[in-house]
Amino acid sequence: EVQLVESGGGLVQPGGSLRLSCAASGFTFSSSGMTWVRQAPGKGLEWVSHISSSGTTTYYADSVKGRFTISRDNAKNSLYLQMNSLRDEDSAVYYCVRFRSGSYFDYWGPGTLVTVSS
Amino acid sequence: QSALTQPPSASGSPGQSVTISCTGTSSDVGGYNYVSWYQQHPGKAPKLMIYEVNKRPSGVPDRFSGSKSGNTASLTVSGLQAEDEADYYCSSYAGIKWVFGGGTKLTVL
Repeated sequence: EVQLVESGGGLVQPGGSLRLSCAASGFTFSSSGMTWVRQAPGKGLEWVSHISSSGTTTYYADSVKGRFTISRDNAKNSLYLQMNSLRDEDSAVYYCVRFRSGSYFDYWGPGTLVTVSS
Repeated sequence: QSALTQPPSASGSPGQSVTISCTGTSSDVGGYNYVSWYQQHPGKAPKLMIYEVNKRPSGVPDRFSGSKSGNTASLTVSGLQAEDEADYYCSSYAGIKWVFGGGTKLTVL
């Protein structure tokens, strides 16, 4: 059974940093591209970042480019999102999502809440 | 403002059919057959319902179907059931990025 479990969310002040982690199991992690998608409270879904299966290729939404860094450790079956210079508008539930080659997202973790507030 | 445009709400009675539209541009929906749809119940993570415009993952009822014409994709739910009441989001590949619609709240009357 595919499982994705996020951790690392919490309350942080504007301008601060946070590192999210995602533990994957139940599939060959090193063969799957992975994605972070976020959802602000009461709002819709927003694609944040994508990393290829090997980790050599990464993409970012314009809203986070230069502030967020996606990475992975295939030996640990883990995905990460380093978030710096956080803003109020980054407050959201962040989902770790498995990416499939048909450009869709087939398994989602339960999400971790990030709140940016002073 | 979301990249893809969906109606904020849709509704239908049990047993009826309802169609939700998702309008983009030639740079996303119209340019690729990579449209997917997700169902989200309150407090839950989204669930994949349709991928590559009209393919259903294993376990998704065949009451759910997808289509596309030009820059507009559609999700049709036939034979509405109470458990179909949820938010629905479309998504499309847009060339080294992915975009979502603003979501449609489907109410089963």
